[in-house]
Amino acid sequence: AQSVTQPDIHITVSEGASLELRCNYSYGATPYLFWYVQSPGQGLQLLLKYFSGDTLVQGIKGFEAEFKRSQSSFNLRKPSVHWSDAAEYFCAVGKGGSQGNLIFGKGTKLSVKP
Amino acid sequence: DGGITQSPKYLFRKEGQNVTLSCEQNLNHDAMYWYRQDPGQGLRLIYYSQIVNDFQKGDIAEGYSVSREKKESFPLTVTSAQKNPTAFYLCASSIGIVGQGETEAFFGQGTRLTVV
Repeated sequence: AQSVTQPDIHITVSEGASLELRCNYSYGATPYLFWYVQSPGQGLQLLLKYFSGDTLVQGIKGFEAEFKRSQSSFNLRKPSVHWSDAAEYFCAVGKGGSQGNLIFGKGTKLSVKP
Repeated sequence: DGGITQSPKYLFRKEGQNVTLSCEQNLNHDAMYWYRQDPGQGLRLIYYSQIVNDFQKGDIAEGYSVSREKKESFPLTVTSAQKNPTAFYLCASSIGIVGQGETEAFFGQGTRLTVV
């Protein structure tokens, strides 16, 4: 069965420092991959997506992610974190076949130190 | 502005009552979804609908029901059969079904349901 693993439940970084959030997936075919961000009590906002082609994808708010098929990973990065980036981040894989769905990881909460 | 509107933002239910959560979209999307979010659990699919008058169970459909009488609307009813309904509920929509093509899902702002 498809699954998504986000190994880090909570990460704290200093403002201005770089960030990498890890995401590993289990899926037989080439996956459709997504990163979403959620502020407390809010819905999810799409940061970026990978469907095919260039394995380095750019998203909103200065985020990027790299698809590595050999490692089954889709890690999210940002070179310099801002205090407003504090939120929860979810990686998701599009579950194909006859039952379309998004399979979500359990999320990584990001805290930013001043 | 186009988007997905969920109402109410907060909802309180007494045990044994059914409640209905509203989800409306004006994005002209064919597919709509309901997810449940619990702390530390990510999101889990309750129901989804590809077209009007058609919907499919997701991973945790027991105790829930939906209808899709209009393209714009996909209400979710939490019935008294749902044993642990307190959660954050998110509605989403997409042009096509996610995972079956290059399509992405857009989410509403959520409804927090609390059983009192």
